[in-house]
Amino acid sequence: AQKITQTQPGMFVQEKEAVTLDCTYDTSDQSYGLFWYKQPSSGEMIFLIYQGSYDEQNATEGRYSLNFQKARKSANLVISASQLGDSAMYFCAMREWPMDTGRRALTFGSGTRLQVQP
Amino acid sequence: NAGVTQTPKFQVLKTGQSMTLQCAQDMNHEYMSWYRQDPGMGLRLIHYSVGAGITDQGEVPNGYNVSRSTTEDFPLRLLSAAPSQTSVYFCASSYSSIFTDTQYFGPGTRLTVL
Repeated sequence: AQKITQTQPGMFVQEKEAVTLDCTYDTSDQSYGLFWYKQPSSGEMIFLIYQGSYDEQNATEGRYSLNFQKARKSANLVISASQLGDSAMYFCAMREWPMDTGRRALTFGSGTRLQVQP
Repeated sequence: NAGVTQTPKFQVLKTGQSMTLQCAQDMNHEYMSWYRQDPGMGLRLIHYSVGAGITDQGEVPNGYNVSRSTTEDFPLRLLSAAPSQTSVYFCASSYSSIFTDTQYFGPGTRLTVL
């Protein structure tokens, strides 16, 4: 079973509008973290926002906010006031924290390509 | 700080050749990892290291070796390149606190195996 599911392969949004990118996850761990990364056409992976499983408040970073619904196992990214520079691939990722290893690997979804239109 | 650096940026190999992808970080992070990204997919973990002298396998380790002799460096070796290893390779590093565990990525190496 996929651990991270991003059901929107592509999204369009008008400049200055808000957009929500969906992400659902699957884990049986109580302690985990959820991340969003942006990958522009230049290829680098840019960290956007983090939400810990025990955080009670939704994370926010400037125009980015994470709509965390733990019971539904969803961690949607909301971008407010979209800009042309927001056009990119967006990846949702999860870090589980297995007790028997030091592994802090991220498990990634397949991504959503966002295109911001003028 | 330079962050996470990777060399080379691009590489073309012939089937059967070997090479080493370099990764270095100057943030004193104890955790480093290698991912590969195939077209239309997210990243998958190849190998990781929780500190100097300690490495372990990730999700797709076959055909790759790693070593971690220093905190700063984490090279990835392709033993005998195959076309299936054509991909973009990312190195990442992180520290860990109780508040976050953000992994910072290098710019990537685009590898083509003919």
